[in-house]
Amino acid sequence: NAGVTQTPKFRVLKTGQSMTLLCAQDMNHEYMYWYRQDPGMGLRLIHYSVGEGTTAKGEVPDGYNVSRLKKQNFLLGLESAAPSQTSVYFCASSLDRYTEAFFGQGTRLTVV
Amino acid sequence: GEDVEQSLFLSVREGDSSVINCTYTDSSSTYLYWYKQEPGAGLQLLTYIFSNMDMKQDQRLTVLLNKKDKHLSLRIADTQTGDSAIYFCAESGGGGSQGNLIFGKGTKLSVKP
Repeated sequence: NAGVTQTPKFRVLKTGQSMTLLCAQDMNHEYMYWYRQDPGMGLRLIHYSVGEGTTAKGEVPDGYNVSRLKKQNFLLGLESAAPSQTSVYFCASSLDRYTEAFFGQGTRLTVV
Repeated sequence: GEDVEQSLFLSVREGDSSVINCTYTDSSSTYLYWYKQEPGAGLQLLTYIFSNMDMKQDQRLTVLLNKKDKHLSLRIADTQTGDSAIYFCAESGGGGSQGNLIFGKGTKLSVKP
């Protein structure tokens, strides 16, 4: 049972490039989340999804897009990367709105 | 809106007890969680407490909940160097732009030998 898997683990982008981060979960969870973690800022929610085909904006959605075409996958896209998007990105999933969230290992993204 | 506050740093000596405190604002929270993040890793659930409980003990961990004051604490007995990590308090049942889980900024626990 893999849990939550994020791909890739590390990436360096040039300003203006685009990329997609993939999150996959094998627990049949309905809810999936994308967070970014910056020093002193804790975890900030970017976007989340409450089920296949749905997405919603979180606290810091600007510059990111997401898609949940399949229940097990939640994709985070950066259309035109900026240095301010240098961060560690975490995906998480949960069965419902109340229960424990399971986290992936994170993607360290650097935009130069 | 909903908010979760916790102190940013705590330093203790090996063998002492550590107490990490957290306050929250959403009185309708159903569960309150403590997550642990070790360097370079994701968050892992350490323990949780249901909102109708006052205390929960799990080996070296004790969680105390004061619902009236909206105060949650995590006590780690006999703290070891392997307990050095960032500890996040989180509450569930929220919504809106913070999603369903609202996290504090994390308390970095440093354990000195």
